Amino acid sequence: NAGVTQTPKFQVLKTGQSMTLQCAQDMNHEYMSWYRQDPGMGLRLIHYSVGAGITDQGEVPNGYNVSRSTTEDFPLRLLSAAPSQTSVYFCASRAGVVTDTQYFGPGTRLTVL
Amino acid sequence: AQSVSQHNHHVILSEAASLELGCNYSYGGTVNLFWYVQYPGQHLQLLLKYFSGDPLVKGIKGFEAEFIKSKFSFNLRKPSVQWSDTAEYFCAVNLYSGNTPLVFGKGTRLSVIA
Repeated sequence: NAGVTQTPKFQVLKTGQSMTLQCAQDMNHEYMSWYRQDPGMGLRLIHYSVGAGITDQGEVPNGYNVSRSTTEDFPLRLLSAAPSQTSVYFCASRAGVVTDTQYFGPGTRLTVL
Repeated sequence: AQSVSQHNHHVILSEAASLELGCNYSYGGTVNLFWYVQYPGQHLQLLLKYFSGDPLVKGIKGFEAEFIKSKFSFNLRKPSVQWSDTAEYFCAVNLYSGNTPLVFGKGTRLSVIA
């Protein structure tokens, strides 16, 4: 199993540009989520999904969109990038049970100029 | 809303020293508790988790944590740290049932010096 994969690893955007961060998992996990990690702030939840076709907002959803058309993929879209979105983004997945381990991808480091 | 507090932002220890990292959560219901570790340049990995049973749980690499319900705490311990334990440690909580997301603390950076 590849686990949770994310692309790209690094990205530089200009203010106002849009882009999609890709996330895929091959463990048939129902639950997927996106976090951003900023120094001193820990991991903050952006959006999550409990299954294909179902998504919900986390703590910091503004400026981001998600969709879940398949079990495997959970892309994160930045609609109009802002410098405040400079961060490291992690995708995670777990099986449906809430006590299951959550597995993280390697992260995408995004810089918005 | 649930929240998780990690009191130590940066801890510096010498090799072989004992470690205890604090974690408190604010939620009155039944919760699941996790500790994750992030080694430099790597993604998060699970150290240990608690959801029921013996409140003293053992994880990988000699780490353990104790759930004290009356104190809403889940502190992480290791009797003797090594240089390779240098990393950032995150405590996380979710509700015991339902399909709730993990809420993370802000993390504690551990630096182990020779």
